[in-house]
Amino acid sequence: GQNIDQPTEMTATEGAIVQINCTYQTSGFNGLFWYQQHAGEAPTFLSYNVLDGLEEKGRFSSFLSRSKGYSYLLLKELQMKDSASYLCAVRDRNTGFQKLVFGTGTRLLVSP
Amino acid sequence: DSGVTQTPKHLITATGQRVTLRCSPRSGDLSVYWYQQSLDQGLQFLIHYYNGEERAKGNILERFSAQQFPDLHSELNLSSLELGDSALYFCASSVSSGGDVEQFFGPGTRLTVL
Repeated sequence: GQNIDQPTEMTATEGAIVQINCTYQTSGFNGLFWYQQHAGEAPTFLSYNVLDGLEEKGRFSSFLSRSKGYSYLLLKELQMKDSASYLCAVRDRNTGFQKLVFGTGTRLLVSP
Repeated sequence: DSGVTQTPKHLITATGQRVTLRCSPRSGDLSVYWYQQSLDQGLQFLIHYYNGEERAKGNILERFSAQQFPDLHSELNLSSLELGDSALYFCASSVSSGGDVEQFFGPGTRLTVL
């Protein structure tokens, strides 16, 4: 099965940069996803990596190293509204092309 | 608003009871997924349907069952409810059966079992 680890909680200051790490173990890696979830709300898609390297999308970037089983989500110019949980999820071709396995999430608190 | 709808928004019931949660996918999406999110477990995949057929199963309990109807809406049935079943239940949808980058999540149903 999959094993996904990410820090439970992080804090940062408005305007700063924060990096949220995710490590995973899976036998048939077929993509890594980052979702944002505000408390009590639905997760919303942020990014997708299937090849090594950096994917940039506005203030958010996501990096993947398949050989290391490692990804990070980089948030720049933090805003108060970025306070949320960030979920790392992995897709494994051995368990279904659409089945996502989520980590427990990293709760980010942005302070003024 | 993702375009995925779920009803009811909140549900409070007693142990031993049975409930049905309903999900309507985004227009044009053929895949529906169900997830359970509890405080200590995170977001757990339950089951995936594509165009009416079951495609993948996660750690779904035998007391739970789901189906997807010809109009593509889906229902998750939870029976013999236990206190530990209290959680947020999310439905998500995507266009196809494999390789979609994004799943669109509904607002969730919060189930409380007393």
